Amino acid sequence: AQSVTQLGSHVSVSEGALVLLRCNYSSSVPPYLFWYVQYPNQGLQLLLKYTSAATLVKGINGFEAEFKKSETSFHLTKPSAHMSDAAEYFCAVSANQAGTALIFGKGTTLSVSS
Amino acid sequence: GAVVSQHPSWVICKSGTSVKIECRSLDFQATTMFWYRQFPKQSLMLMATSNEGSKATYEQGVEKDKFLINHASLTLSTLTVTSAHPEDSSFYICSAQPMEGYTFGSGTRLTVV
Repeated sequence: AQSVTQLGSHVSVSEGALVLLRCNYSSSVPPYLFWYVQYPNQGLQLLLKYTSAATLVKGINGFEAEFKKSETSFHLTKPSAHMSDAAEYFCAVSANQAGTALIFGKGTTLSVSS
Repeated sequence: GAVVSQHPSWVICKSGTSVKIECRSLDFQATTMFWYRQFPKQSLMLMATSNEGSKATYEQGVEKDKFLINHASLTLSTLTVTSAHPEDSSFYICSAQPMEGYTFGSGTRLTVV
């Protein structure tokens, strides 16, 4: 079975500051890991995904995440926050198998202040 | 890329009525469709997995008779919320798994009054 834990339900940063959103996973098989962003009253947008290739994954909008097997982590970072980054962020995991659903973490709300 | 079209985007219905939500894969065949529910300020919870031509598999705690899922073709899966009540008000999202990964519908905001 797969699960993810997102540490911190709410993260606040200043514009221009580093963004760090934490995600730890549990998986009985090699995982695929994802980060999604959701703006109010909208659907999900894929930021990036890890599918067992490079451990440092670069995504859209300047975000990146590093897969660390020893720490079972897949933390999301961005060097410099923009006001437009304020949104809900979800980490998700799936098994490397067709027909298996994504399992989502509880989400982290990112607030960005000027 | 692969697109899943979900309709309607939002619906308001009276308590006791039924609502059908459709998800269509536009440029690929979706053997499997996943249905999620998201309550306000919460995460996406997997409700069920539907496979074309067979019965859906429901997650623990999800009422099969209330949330009817039909996946009669490789491009269409439907979720019907039967005898809806205000507590069923939520955001429902479907997801398919084309070759290049997961793709999501835009979601349906259901409000039961």
